[in-house]
Amino acid sequence: AQSVTQLDSQVPVFEEAPVELRCNYSSSVSVYLFWYVQYPNQGLQLLLKYLSGSTLVESINGFEAEFNKSQTSFHLRKPSVHISDTAEYFCAVRLPHDYKLSFGAGTTVTVRA
Amino acid sequence: DVKVTQSSRYLVKRTGEKVFLECVQDMDHENMFWYRQDPGLGLRLIYFSYDVKMKEKGDIPEGYSVSREKKERFSLILESASTNQTSMYLCASSLGRGFEKLFFGSGTQLSVL
Repeated sequence: AQSVTQLDSQVPVFEEAPVELRCNYSSSVSVYLFWYVQYPNQGLQLLLKYLSGSTLVESINGFEAEFNKSQTSFHLRKPSVHISDTAEYFCAVRLPHDYKLSFGAGTTVTVRA
Repeated sequence: DVKVTQSSRYLVKRTGEKVFLECVQDMDHENMFWYRQDPGLGLRLIYFSYDVKMKEKGDIPEGYSVSREKKERFSLILESASTNQTSMYLCASSLGRGFEKLFFGSGTQLSVL
């Protein structure tokens, strides 16, 4: 079975500073990888996904994540954060042709002015 | 935009009560999901439905049942609520067989006293 580990539960960061959220997964077969974001008092929204192809994927709001098969990682980065990026971020994995998403425990990002 | 609506934002129930959590989606999605979200544990899948009257158990189905009589509505039932079922419950839906993007409701915070 696949599993996901998010290495940081809380990440405080100053506005306009870079941020990296770490995600490692374990699986004996190929997987699909996702990052979801949950803003305060809202449901989760898909931020970006890796299914195949280029190992670097980008979102429309400046986040990017790189799939690293040898290190079984899918870290999320943003070079310059805004106050509005304050949220909880979840890494998730699933097997191709399966419906089950396995989520990590989440990383809370708090951006301060 | 897809809208997934959960009937209550906050719910307080007593131990032993029968509890119904309702979820409605407006985009004709085949798939619907119930997750519970707990601090430090991320999201865990309770049940999944891929069609009307069809359901599959997720990772933690014990103590829960579900009902899907209409395509747009997916209900989670706690037959006899217990204090360890105090949690945030999230409903989600997705289209077709790809399962690539889940749309989440904003959640129901259930407290069982």
